[in-house]
Amino acid sequence: DAGVTQSPTHLIKTRGQQVTLRCSPKSGHDTVSWYQQALGQGPQFIFQYYEEEERQRGNFPDRFSGHQFPNYSSELNVNALLLGDSALYLCASSFETAGANVLTFGAGSRLTVL
Amino acid sequence: AQKVTQAQTEISVVEKEDVTLDCVYETRDTTYYLFWYKQPPSGELVFLIRRNSFDEQNEISGRYSWNFQKSTSSFNFTITASQVVDSAVYFCALRTAGANSKLTFGKGITLSVRP
Repeated sequence: DAGVTQSPTHLIKTRGQQVTLRCSPKSGHDTVSWYQQALGQGPQFIFQYYEEEERQRGNFPDRFSGHQFPNYSSELNVNALLLGDSALYLCASSFETAGANVLTFGAGSRLTVL
Repeated sequence: AQKVTQAQTEISVVEKEDVTLDCVYETRDTTYYLFWYKQPPSGELVFLIRRNSFDEQNEISGRYSWNFQKSTSSFNFTITASQVVDSAVYFCALRTAGANSKLTFGKGITLSVRP
């Protein structure tokens, strides 16, 4: 049973460019959350998607946007990239949105902005 | 607002030593959940344990044990007889009980276990 899969695993972009990261949730999960993890820091919540809608958003600018598809997979888009966007982007899935539910994380997409 | 503090940043021990990772949290909610995750060099966060705020029973699972004390807002994690494979970054995290709640992480503790 595959867990959470993310693509690409690594990518390099230049300032001002746009990037799209993809996530397939664990089988049976319908909720996807995205986290940004800067080097040496804990993951920071970006947003959560459930039933194809953004349900909760962290303190990130509008340059960060997302989408959830009918098959529960999700994309994270970042526009006008800044050097500070360099980080590991983690996708997590769960069954529904309740706080008790354990999040299953993928291995992440490491973005480097030059 | 929620906050998780992991005051220790790096811990280095010799194999077979016991090690305790500290976690202190802040929340105004009365019902919440606490988690420990492990992040090996591969990057994937691996779930270790979840504790709810109304269950202060401490738990032992193999070489791992957890100490939850609501009175001091602490949720500490102990590895007994550490092994080299335990080397990783360990994160404590907090999530409130409502729907659509986010997981708030501490900054993590880097544990190095030397042979």
